[in-house]
Amino acid sequence: GAVVSQHPSWVICKSGTSVKIECRSLDFQATTMFWYRQFPKQSLMLMATSNEGSKATYEQGVEKDKFLINHASLTLSTLTVTSAHPEDSSFYICSALEAVYGYTFGSGTRLTVV
Amino acid sequence: AQKVTQAQTEISVVEKEDVTLDCVYETRDTTYYLFWYKQPPSGELVFLIRRNSFDEQNEISGRYSWNFQKSTSSFNFTITASQVVDSAVYFCALSEDFTGGGNKLTFGTGTQLKVEL
Repeated sequence: GAVVSQHPSWVICKSGTSVKIECRSLDFQATTMFWYRQFPKQSLMLMATSNEGSKATYEQGVEKDKFLINHASLTLSTLTVTSAHPEDSSFYICSALEAVYGYTFGSGTRLTVV
Repeated sequence: AQKVTQAQTEISVVEKEDVTLDCVYETRDTTYYLFWYKQPPSGELVFLIRRNSFDEQNEISGRYSWNFQKSTSSFNFTITASQVVDSAVYFCALSEDFTGGGNKLTFGTGTQLKVEL
C-alpha cells in the first residue's frame, strides 16, 4: 500500500526561528503533494498544493514567504515555517496524491512555538 | 466550488448503540470522489472509504456502512454497535476526479463522536 512518512512528529521551537517539516512518499511517486493546517477542534485547511519541480500554489490568505514549500522530487516535499511565532503553533499534515492510491496522508507534525 | 457539510458537530452515544454521521456535499462535477476519514486523538488521519460518483452501491465493512445517495447529495456513515474505540473525529471529504492529478481534497468540518460505557 501507499505510505507517506512525515517528520518530525512534533517540534518545539523558539519564536523567530525556522522549522522544516518533511513529507516523503516511501513506495510511490506522488504527482502532487498538499499541505494542510489544523487548529484544535477544527477541520483541515489546505495551505498549498505543490507539484514536483514547480512553484507551489498557495490558498488565499496563506503567506507564501512565511510558509516555504519545496517539492524537489516526486517523493519529497518540505514545508518550512520561517520566523515562527506562537500563532503558527498548529498541527501540520501533508498528503501525497497518486492516480491509483488517491490521497495518502502523513501522520502529522505538531508545532509549538514558544 | 466544492463544499462539504457535516451538520453534526458532536455526537455522544452509549456503547453498543448504532450511530449515523451525516455528510452532504456540493459539486458541479459529474465525476467526483467522496471519502471518510477517522482522526483519533493521536491526530493521524485513518482512511475509511473512497467512493466515486458513478458507484452508488452501499458498502458494508464490518460494523461500518456507508449510504451514498446522489439524489440528495449525501454520503452518510453508520457505525453499528459502537465501541469506545470508535471515539474520534470523523471527516467527510470530496474531490474532483484526481486520476489526472492535482485536484485538492475538500474537508467537512468534522463530527466528534464520543462513545461512552
